[in-house]
Amino acid sequence: GQSLEQPSEVTAVEGAIVQINCTYQTSGFYGLSWYQQHDGGAPTFLSYNALDGLEETGRFSSFLSRSDSYGYLLLQELQMKDSASYFCAVRLTGGGNKLTFGTGTQLKVEL
Amino acid sequence: GAGVSQSPSNKVTEKGKDVELRCDPISGHTALYWYRQSLGQGLEFLIYFQGNSAPDKSGLPSDRFSAERTGGSVSTLTIQRTQQEDSAVYLCASSSGTGDYVYTFGSGTRLTVV
Repeated sequence: GQSLEQPSEVTAVEGAIVQINCTYQTSGFYGLSWYQQHDGGAPTFLSYNALDGLEETGRFSSFLSRSDSYGYLLLQELQMKDSASYFCAVRLTGGGNKLTFGTGTQLKVEL
Repeated sequence: GAGVSQSPSNKVTEKGKDVELRCDPISGHTALYWYRQSLGQGLEFLIYFQGNSAPDKSGLPSDRFSAERTGGSVSTLTIQRTQQEDSAVYLCASSSGTGDYVYTFGSGTRLTVV
């Protein structure tokens, strides 16, 4: 089947750098997206990788390696407000016009 | 509207009752999606609309679930004869068209079946 696996929880201290991994088993997809969701809030779009490599958006960067079936979200200069859940997502080839989301990672930023 | 609006924000219902959840997408967005999120879990796809048509209903868990969209805008998700396992946050999202990877989500309806 198609699945995107993420660590369930990651803890880091304020000011640090943290990497959230997304490993997938899928026959094909158009690109890898990342979404952030604060408790009780709406998921919001963060980043998208159509091609292999690194995409940088401010403190956040995202990476994709199709050959390794792997991607990650990198958060730098962590702030308390970064405490949230993070989801990777793909639109599968032959899967219609919908995003399939990963299992999600809860990030806790501590002082 | 400026964002995706969902109502009600919270709904408590008795087992066996029917419920209707409403989603008002961003004006002009032709694609609309419903997802379900159980406590601490990921987002489970339910149904996708393009305009008023639903080309992908593959995620609807049973025939107790149905959805419609009218005027290419507002959508309602109806759950008949609710069960306790239906308790979850129901999220609606919209996007400008096909092949999108940027969805704008609403804040969801938290459904509790007692």
